[in-house]
Amino acid sequence: GIQVEQSPPDLILQEGANSTLRCNFSDSVNNLQWFHQNPWGQLINLFYIPSGTKQNGRLSATTVATERYSLLYISSSQTTDSGVYFCAVAWGSGGSNYKLTFGKGTLLTVNP
Amino acid sequence: DAGVIQSPRHEVTEMGQEVTLRCKPISGHNSLFWYRQTMMRGLELLIYFNNNVPIDDSGMPEDRFSAKMPNASFSTLKIQPSEPRDSAVYFCASSLTRGEQYFGPGTRLTVT
Repeated sequence: GIQVEQSPPDLILQEGANSTLRCNFSDSVNNLQWFHQNPWGQLINLFYIPSGTKQNGRLSATTVATERYSLLYISSSQTTDSGVYFCAVAWGSGGSNYKLTFGKGTLLTVNP
Repeated sequence: DAGVIQSPRHEVTEMGQEVTLRCKPISGHNSLFWYRQTMMRGLELLIYFNNNVPIDDSGMPEDRFSAKMPNASFSTLKIQPSEPRDSAVYFCASSLTRGEQYFGPGTRLTVT
């Protein structure tokens, strides 16, 4: 199956700092999603981005499908950004291309 | 708009008991997914329904697990009999076919 690797595994920032999270995948993908799992455990959709670049406020994401990676940028971080960020991909053909395979996540801690 | 609804939010049960988790997908979505999150294995897909029909249950760990979707607005995941190793957070997600997936708040299951 496809391998999804996220880096760094852990990241500690001071409030106001910027950061870049990376997601590498081992095969062509049909879909790619970024999620934020907050300290209460809820998975919040950030981006649905199989290719290209999107921006939403302080967050933006870029997926370069031909090079098999995606980046999530967080600017001017806030304490509420703390949590785990997951990259998840759907790949394959036929009936399997709906399956989301998750990376292990990046644990982000933003200190005041 | 109501998101994906799951119940109960927390469940504590004794080994050997039957457990039933419930999910109501987002109205209009025709794909429904059950995922499980554990520290050891991360987030993994258990089963996927499309138009109320189970398409792929290869992620269901064993015969003790079963899932049904009697109509477009309701699904259940049942564990019988439950075991301590089933303790995890169980998420339900929904989407349009092969589209962006949206997750419910999860059910935290503890089997003692």
